[in-house]
Amino acid sequence: DIQMTQSPSSLSASVGDRVTITCQASQDISNYLNWYQQKPGKAPKLLIYDASNLETGVPSRFSGSGSGTDFTFTISSLQPEDIATYYCQQYDNLAFGGGTKVEIK
Amino acid sequence: EVQLVQSGAEVKKPGESLKISCKGSGYSFTSYWIGWVRQMPGKGLEWMGIIYPGDSDTRYSPSFQGQVTISADKSISTAYLQWSSLKASDTAMYYCARWVVVAGRAYFDYWGQGTLVTVSS
Repeated sequence: DIQMTQSPSSLSASVGDRVTITCQASQDISNYLNWYQQKPGKAPKLLIYDASNLETGVPSRFSGSGSGTDFTFTISSLQPEDIATYYCQQYDNLAFGGGTKVEIK
Repeated sequence: EVQLVQSGAEVKKPGESLKISCKGSGYSFTSYWIGWVRQMPGKGLEWMGIIYPGDSDTRYSPSFQGQVTISADKSISTAYLQWSSLKASDTAMYYCARWVVVAGRAYFDYWGQGTLVTVSS
């Protein structure tokens, strides 16, 4: 099975900071990667599919890149409403990464 | 408007059976996969399995194969997740979500509100 390793598991940043999360696959998954946001007490929400495509209605401060085994998710300017846990997911076997909890410093 | 509405919270004892539901509306229920995702308290997301209501084709995560049963009744646009004998370790929030597969890409685009299952003696 393909394993997804996400890092860091948590981070604390200031409003306006650039935030970067990485996700590494145990084998080549091309660009078969999604990113989700889960706010406390809520269901997850799709932000990015195909590694870099922004879902309709998602703010442009969110972006994704990468292919093969190494992927990056970026928030260009952290906003208070971005406090959440972020998950990558590869869609060969639907496995999720372990999640990254983003907090405001 | 696409909606997935899940059944309410459940409190059960170990060894009991349970079936929770996920009703889809606002789209062709038989044309999209429905998946189930577990989230244990304070933990991450785990994919459990998916079902295609059009023909009941079902795929399970190896971690959940044999532990749960996923089914669907297309006549009422409802998918189900069931246990025959619950354990305390089944305590979790369970989400259903629509799994879209199109043009080589795939993702969960709409999610239910979640069903909290608590198993305690």
